[in-house]
Amino acid sequence: AQSVTQPDIHITVSEGASLELRCNYSYGATPYLFWYVQSPGQGLQLLLKYFSGDTLVQGIKGFEAEFKRSQSSFNLRKPSVHWSDAAEYFCAVAPNTNAGKSTFGDGTTLTVKP
Amino acid sequence: DVKVTQSSRYLVKRTGEKVFLECVQDMDHENMFWYRQDPGLGLRLIYFSYDVKMKEKGDIPEGYSVSREKKERFSLILESASTNQTSMYLCASSLLGQDPYEQYFGPGTRLTVT
Repeated sequence: AQSVTQPDIHITVSEGASLELRCNYSYGATPYLFWYVQSPGQGLQLLLKYFSGDTLVQGIKGFEAEFKRSQSSFNLRKPSVHWSDAAEYFCAVAPNTNAGKSTFGDGTTLTVKP
Repeated sequence: DVKVTQSSRYLVKRTGEKVFLECVQDMDHENMFWYRQDPGLGLRLIYFSYDVKMKEKGDIPEGYSVSREKKERFSLILESASTNQTSMYLCASSLLGQDPYEQYFGPGTRLTVT
């Protein structure tokens, strides 16, 4: 069975600073990987996804993530954080045999200091 | 614009009541999901459905049932609500196919059982 670990429960960064959110997964083959964002009071919205090809993927709102098979990681990055990026971020993994059923990490809450 | 709607944003019920949470999607998606979200526990899958009248248990199905009579509608039923079912409930939908189509989420229903 697949699993996802987000080691950081809460991260605080200053506006304009760079951001990296960590995600480690466990799965026997190449998984499908996702990052979602949840703003307060909202459902989850997809930021980006990876399932093949270039290991550096670009998403919405200026986010990118890099798939590193050797480290079983899929870390999310943004070069300059905006106050509106404050939210909860979820990494998810889906097996390549049943695309619909994803497993989500516990989430990382991002606070942005002015 | 794609949309997943949930019947209520906030719901307060009494212990022992039968509770229905409704979810409707307008994207003609085959897959539909019900999750509960609790602080520090991320999203946990309760049930999912990949077709009308088809359902599969997720990770925490105990105390819940589901119904999918039409493709666009997926209902979560709490047969006899208990206080430990106080939570945020998220519905999602996705396409079924070879590619890992992302999940589209509703805004959530915050259920309080007193």
